[in-house]
Amino acid sequence: DAGVIQSPRHEVTEMGQEVTLRCKPISGHNSLFWYRQTMMRGLELLIYFNNNVPIDDSGMPEDRFSAKMPNASFSTLKIQPSEPRDSAVYFCASSSQGFLNSPLHFGNGTRLTVT
Amino acid sequence: KNQVEQSPQSLIILEGKNCTLQCNYTVSPFSNLRWYKQDTGRGPVSLTIMTFSENTKSNGRYTATLDADTKQSSLHITASQLSDSASYICVVSESGYALNFGKGTSLLVTP
Repeated sequence: DAGVIQSPRHEVTEMGQEVTLRCKPISGHNSLFWYRQTMMRGLELLIYFNNNVPIDDSGMPEDRFSAKMPNASFSTLKIQPSEPRDSAVYFCASSSQGFLNSPLHFGNGTRLTVT
Repeated sequence: KNQVEQSPQSLIILEGKNCTLQCNYTVSPFSNLRWYKQDTGRGPVSLTIMTFSENTKSNGRYTATLDADTKQSSLHITASQLSDSASYICVVSESGYALNFGKGTSLLVTP
């Protein structure tokens, strides 16, 4: 099992540009999460998908952020336009049915720097 | 206000020594408590998950304890190794998918 795969690992972009982060969850997992991690705030949930359907997007900071999950094996998180305060590490995580007592499997994250 | 507080914020120990990390929470209702290890530049990796009825759970040299009455948990690392240097994150689950993350304890194991 390759685990959760995220790309790119690093992204440096200028303010105002569009950024797209990608995630491939573990095969068979039906829950997918996007998190953002900063030193100040730690890990914060952005959005949660179950069976490809967005269940909770209340953590998405602003309308500049959007996420899609067109199928069970792929999800994207898009920021348009990006701002310096979006600089953080973005993690994708997946989990199997019975999430309550199953671990989250995290990818290795995308480190985003917006200048 | 963060409902999961971890202490200490950082810790330095000598290789081979034991250490204990603390987690206090105010999350309610409580579903389970998880400990994750996060190496620098990597995603968090699950160490243990404990439900309300579990007091202790081990994973190799890692032992987690839970006191649901006092809402406290600890993670004990035995015979530390250099590879234990990482951030350790306590996560408390309410119900469903809602997870409350602590800000972590940064552990450095020195030779």
